[in-house]
Amino acid sequence: GEDVEQSLFLSVREGDSSVINCTYTDSSSTYLYWYKQEPGAGLQLLTYIFSNMDMKQDQRLTVLLNKKDKHLSLRIADTQTGDSAIYFCAESINGQNFVFGPGTRLSVLP
Amino acid sequence: GAVVSQHPSWVICKSGTSVKIECRSLDFQATTMFWYRQFPKQSLMLMATSNEGSKATYEQGVEKDKFLINHASLTLSTLTVTSAHPEDSSFYICSAGGTGPLNNSPLHFGNGTRLTVT
Repeated sequence: GEDVEQSLFLSVREGDSSVINCTYTDSSSTYLYWYKQEPGAGLQLLTYIFSNMDMKQDQRLTVLLNKKDKHLSLRIADTQTGDSAIYFCAESINGQNFVFGPGTRLSVLP
Repeated sequence: GAVVSQHPSWVICKSGTSVKIECRSLDFQATTMFWYRQFPKQSLMLMATSNEGSKATYEQGVEKDKFLINHASLTLSTLTVTSAHPEDSSFYICSAGGTGPLNNSPLHFGNGTRLTVT
């Protein structure tokens, strides 16, 4: 079946850029998503990208998609302590068959 | 933006009792809602997908008689954990679909309900 993988932990210093990586196996994926989960809370959709796009930028967030390698990344510029959270990558086929990755716990050090 | 309200945020109940969790879409209509379960330090596990006015679709291994889902209106879905046991203790999160081609995508999440069964 479909699988989405992420590294489980990432630590960066405040002000640096964070890059969270994700790989997926289903080449039929048409939408790829990034969610943020703060402690004790639900998920917040940060952004999503269509599979025919290579890049999407929204303020401090940049999403890069390498469809050939099935690799998705989320770059957070000027990382702040408020960015500390778990970031989930997810993929779907035309919005169906949604699959979440295990999540990357981002720690921002002062 | 679209807001999903989940209630209660935290509940403690005795073993054998039932607990109802509500998920409301506050400023939009949600044809499809999703119920997830999250274990500590783990990803989300989809339990079931509910569609307004029809029976929920349960994922493999999820007991439909234990986790009752009702989606009676376009703004409300409920999950009832019946005869709860300590192993049902978990974080339950609901989500509502988007619009158009993403109406079956869990885009808008509630803040979750932490259930503790003693």
